[in-house]
Amino acid sequence: TAGITQAPTSQILAAGRSMTLRCTQDMRHNAMYWYRQDLGLGLRLIHYSNTAGTTGKGEVPDGYSVSRANTDDFPLTLASAVPSQTSVYFCASSDLENTEAFFGQGTRLTVV
Amino acid sequence: GQNIDQPTEMTATEGAIVQINCTYQTSGFNGLFWYQQHAGEAPTFLSYNVLDGLEEKGRFSSFLSRSKGYSYLLLKELQMKDSASYLCAVRDHNYQLIWGAGTKLIIKP
Repeated sequence: TAGITQAPTSQILAAGRSMTLRCTQDMRHNAMYWYRQDLGLGLRLIHYSNTAGTTGKGEVPDGYSVSRANTDDFPLTLASAVPSQTSVYFCASSDLENTEAFFGQGTRLTVV
Repeated sequence: GQNIDQPTEMTATEGAIVQINCTYQTSGFNGLFWYQQHAGEAPTFLSYNVLDGLEEKGRFSSFLSRSKGYSYLLLKELQMKDSASYLCAVRDHNYQLIWGAGTKLIIKP
């Protein structure tokens, strides 16, 4: 079972350019999440989706947008990248509210 | 505000026991999770506590005291492969996970 897959694994992006980070899960989980992880800080929630067709803002949503057209896919878009968006991005999914979240392998993004 | 505190780094010896503490202040409580994250990899689930007490799973155990806003992860018979970061996370009243910054555990031979 693939579980949850992110693409690309890493990317160098010029400031001002746009980019979409892809996330796909095959576990039929209702909830999906996008986090960023920076050195010395905990995982910070960017956006989430509790079910297909709905999305919500997390702790650090500015500069990012998401969509949830179906259960499996949850892309994250940076409309105009800035250097402060250099980070490792993790996509995660979970089923019921009180069960574990499964993480993708992460996307290492460098904005220069 | 919401806050999860855990030590930044700990060192232990192979074969020994180590306890990693986590204290939290959150808007509501709907469970506490521990995850393991090896360098350059994704976090993986270790344990979940929603009621007070100890949950044991092999070499790993996790304890919760909701009245004290406190949890610990106990790792026994440490192995070199246990060198990793250990992340504490609390699910708040909105069922969102609030994450600590993680504790980097270094195992020495």
